[in-house]
Amino acid sequence: KNQVEQSPQSLIILEGKNCTLQCNYTVSPFSNLRWYKQDTGRGPVSLTIMTFSENTKSNGRYTATLDADTKQSSLHITASQLSDSASYICVVSGWSTSGTYKYIFGTGTRLKVLA
Amino acid sequence: DGGITQSPKYLFRKEGQNVTLSCEQNLNHDAMYWYRQDPGQGLRLIYYSQIVNDFQKGDIAEGYSVSREKKESFPLTVTSAQKNPTAFYLCASSMSSGSKNIQYFGAGTRLSVL
Repeated sequence: KNQVEQSPQSLIILEGKNCTLQCNYTVSPFSNLRWYKQDTGRGPVSLTIMTFSENTKSNGRYTATLDADTKQSSLHITASQLSDSASYICVVSGWSTSGTYKYIFGTGTRLKVLA
Repeated sequence: DGGITQSPKYLFRKEGQNVTLSCEQNLNHDAMYWYRQDPGQGLRLIYYSQIVNDFQKGDIAEGYSVSREKKESFPLTVTSAQKNPTAFYLCASSMSSGSKNIQYFGAGTRLSVL
């Protein structure tokens, strides 16, 4: 069964600190890995998207890494801000054997940044 | 929310009632999707449409129905057959399905049962 597992489930950090969120997946075949930010009661917003050949992708203070060999990805947030408080969702996608393109969503990491 | 509008923001359903959630996009995207989000679970795909007048069942289509008569619109009906409809419903669209196309999400509709 294709799985996307994220850790930790929740995280609390102080403003200005860095943090790293983890995503392990068993989805196969694999095409892309995406990180989304979801504010409470809102829809997810794309942060980064990487193919299997890309090792790192940055978007401002957000840097995603991907190791396709170990099937692990991480999202590093630098100099956290209060507005970073949100859920961060890892999504792995690829073509299934039936010819459909599937998105497998992780359960997310809920980040709380305190002043 | 990237040009995708979901309405209403909150919706209440009575027992045995069908309700319809609206999703409109002005991004000229071909593909549209409906997801359900429950606490502690990842988003699960209900239905998706790759082109007008065509749609496919996702992983949890039972108790739901959709239509795609216009490119901009992809309404979702939660029927009385859906016994546990309380959830946060998200609509998304992308240029096409597959590859590096980014999915843009609406702000969601929270459905509760009275």
